[in-house]
Amino acid sequence: KAGVTQTPRYLIKTRGQQVTLSCSPISGHRSVSWYQQTPGQGLQFLFEYFSETQRNKGNFPGRFSGRQFSNSRSEMNVSTLELGDSALYLCASSAGQKETQYFGPGTRLLVL
Amino acid sequence: GNSVTQMEGPVTLSEEAFLTINCTYTATGYPSLFWYVQYPGEGLQLLLKATKADDKGSNKGFEATYRKETTSFHLEKGSVQVSDSAVYFCALFGGSTLGRLYFGRGTQLTVWP
Repeated sequence: KAGVTQTPRYLIKTRGQQVTLSCSPISGHRSVSWYQQTPGQGLQFLFEYFSETQRNKGNFPGRFSGRQFSNSRSEMNVSTLELGDSALYLCASSAGQKETQYFGPGTRLLVL
Repeated sequence: GNSVTQMEGPVTLSEEAFLTINCTYTATGYPSLFWYVQYPGEGLQLLLKATKADDKGSNKGFEATYRKETTSFHLEKGSVQVSDSAVYFCALFGGSTLGRLYFGRGTQLTVWP
């Protein structure tokens, strides 16, 4: 089985712009979770989608949003980018909400 | 609430040395416990897991035992290799919150030949 894929792998944006990141889960997996990784804050949970519905949300501002499609692919969007949004964004998929999460390679976002 | 505390390191060892990375947790209910590893420039890879008390997870020579009485899940390896150099994350999953992993801060391991 192919693993979790994320596109793009690298992204450079400027402050105030918006960005959309994409995640394709392992075939058959219905749950997708997103995490932000920074040197200062470590790994922080953004949100989790299951069957196209957001089931769980972390403590991030409303500029961070996401969605999941009927094929379980997920996107996350960050509007009005700030310098502090520079991070590695990781997507993880699992067969169900109580199942083991498998991670993609991440999208590294740099905001200038 | 749920939380994970692990020794932050960095940990520097010579090849073939014994490795221990401590991890303790706080959780409601009966969580599952994980160790993930991150190599430079990559995402997280599942290293091992344990889903109930006294379970031992093992993979690639690494082991960890789920100790409910001490709320711990320490990672061990008897003989490390240069290729084990990476960042190791302890994580928990479950209890009252679904779909979300709680991570420790990560431990940087460097192994010298």
